[in-house]
Amino acid sequence: NAGVTQTPKFRVLKTGQSMTLLCAQDMNHEYMYWYRQDPGMGLRLIHYSVGEGTTAKGEVPDGYNVSRLKKQNFLLGLESAAPSQTSVYFCASSPTDGPQDTQYFGPGTRLTVL
Amino acid sequence: GQNIDQPTEMTATEGAIVQINCTYQTSGFNGLFWYQQHAGEAPTFLSYNVLDGLEEKGRFSSFLSRSKGYSYLLLKELQMKDSASYLCAPMDSNYQLIWGAGTKLIIKP
Repeated sequence: NAGVTQTPKFRVLKTGQSMTLLCAQDMNHEYMYWYRQDPGMGLRLIHYSVGEGTTAKGEVPDGYNVSRLKKQNFLLGLESAAPSQTSVYFCASSPTDGPQDTQYFGPGTRLTVL
Repeated sequence: GQNIDQPTEMTATEGAIVQINCTYQTSGFNGLFWYQQHAGEAPTFLSYNVLDGLEEKGRFSSFLSRSKGYSYLLLKELQMKDSASYLCAPMDSNYQLIWGAGTKLIIKP
């Protein structure tokens, strides 16, 4: 079991460029999440999905889009990158969103927008 | 609003005991998680409390008081590998995790 994997691990973009971050999980989890982590702040939820074909907005969704075409994959897109989107992005998955259901995290993608 | 408060940084000595406190205010409550995050790595699950009291798991224990909106993580027999950030995350009524900024724990020999 690879668990949760993320591609790429590092990326540098120029302002206005677009990119897609890929998250894959092999645990057959229903729920998947995208977070960003900035220094001195807690993890902030960008978007999440409660199952294949569904997506929902989290705390900080502006400037991002997501898709969940297959149960095992959750894609995060930046259409026009801005320096404020420089961050570490973590994907996570869980069996459901119920109490006691642990979220399992991928290794993160370090994105710098110049 | 929802708020999590935990110390930014703590220092302890190898072999000692340290307690990391977390106070929280959330809209509803469905338990509280503690995660460990080493520098440059992903958070990993440590513990989950939903009822008041102490949960012990090896060298780590976690305590919850729902009436006080308070939890702590207790680490015993500290090892150098325990140097990491510790994230407190209560779950609100919508089953969303609300993440604290984390406590960076520095272990000195």
